Amino acid sequence: QKEVEQNSGPLSVPEGAIASLNCTYSDRGSQSFFWYRQYSGKSPELIMSIYSNGDKEDGRFTAQLNKASQYVSLLIRDSQPSDSATYLCAVGDNYGQNFVFGPGTRLSVLP
Amino acid sequence: DTAVSQTPKYLVTQMGNDKSIKCEQNLGHDTMYWYKQDSKKFLKIMFSYNNKELIINETVPNRFSPKSPDKAHLNLHINSLELGDSAVYFCASSPLGADPETQYFGPGTRLLVL
Repeated sequence: QKEVEQNSGPLSVPEGAIASLNCTYSDRGSQSFFWYRQYSGKSPELIMSIYSNGDKEDGRFTAQLNKASQYVSLLIRDSQPSDSATYLCAVGDNYGQNFVFGPGTRLSVLP
Repeated sequence: DTAVSQTPKYLVTQMGNDKSIKCEQNLGHDTMYWYKQDSKKFLKIMFSYNNKELIINETVPNRFSPKSPDKAHLNLHINSLELGDSAVYFCASSPLGADPETQYFGPGTRLLVL
């Protein structure tokens, strides 16, 4: 059974700081990794995907993947109150098949 | 235009009842899904379905059954509702296969079983 783990939080950071969200996974054969943002009462929305070791940057978001250590992280630079949400990590095999979600980390950015 | 829509948005019902949740997508996608998100925010896939194949998560009780009258609809029927069925149910669709890059979620249906 694939497992994906995240710190449940809440993680509180001041506005303008860097928020660091971590995710570990059990299946060493996983090939695709995703970060979703979910505002309270809303559906999840995909914000980042990463498939290769290293960093991938998109605006204020950076995803970091280390397959050897089986972890993937999401950094949010210059955090804004509007970033306050639950962030879900999802891990899958090739081409995003059979992906499993983590329990999510609740982020609170304090003005 | 709403890409993936679900009805009802809220559903409150008694234990033992049978209920259905409807999902419609107007994107022309081939594959549709049902997810369950419990109170602890765990999001788990229940079913994925295209016009050829139904893939069922083996942990889903057989009280849950997806029904697809056509390619644009995948309804979720639940028999003999139990307290533990209380959750938010999300429908989703994608053009081909289970690719998160192209998957659209519906707004969710909040089910409360009393």
